[in-house]
Amino acid sequence: DTGVSQNPRHKITKRGQNVTFRCDPISEHNRLYWYRQTLGQGPEFLTYFQNEAQLEKSRLLSDRFSAERPKGSFSTLEIQRTEQGDSAMYLCASSTRWNRVLGGYTFGSGTRLTVV
Amino acid sequence: GDSVTQMEGPVTLSEEAFLTINCTYTATGYPSLFWYVQYPGEGLQLLLKATKADDKGSNKGFEATYRKETTSFHLEKGSVQVSDSAVYFCALSPGGTSYGKLTFGQGTILTVHP
Repeated sequence: DTGVSQNPRHKITKRGQNVTFRCDPISEHNRLYWYRQTLGQGPEFLTYFQNEAQLEKSRLLSDRFSAERPKGSFSTLEIQRTEQGDSAMYLCASSTRWNRVLGGYTFGSGTRLTVV
Repeated sequence: GDSVTQMEGPVTLSEEAFLTINCTYTATGYPSLFWYVQYPGEGLQLLLKATKADDKGSNKGFEATYRKETTSFHLEKGSVQVSDSAVYFCALSPGGTSYGKLTFGQGTILTVHP
């Protein structure tokens, strides 16, 4: 088990372009979460999935953001028409459904997006 | 909605000093509480957790006790090391038997000098 993998690690894009990030969770974990972290702040919840179903979306997730988990394994987060305010670290985490399992959530190393 | 408030940082200590980072929360029901640590250039790592009132989480010399009466989960360590320099996040997830979204505090930067 290699943990939660996120790609790419870094992405620099011009304002107005679309970007897509990928997250590969721990294989036994059926829940997958996306967070956004800006400098000096804690991670902010964006959305999460149980298997392929998107269970909750934050109001932070504007219409330009979309997330999918088509087969209940990896997930993608797409940002359309990027803005400078989208510059942040995008974190993915996974967990089991039941919290009696030791360990809790496992986070990936994140994708750092810079919009120029 | 749920919220987590951490003491303002940054915190600067000398090696072997005692550490306390305060964390209070607002949540409905009985949330699970966590401390995560982020070392420079690395991802978030679970440091410790507690799932019910009066539980004490502990790991690597760090401890935190789930205090429902004061809605607190303060992080403590008796003797810090230079290698403990990192950003520490307090977080909660909703109560019950299943995991849900995590709500984080703003983080506290800890710097330990030799």
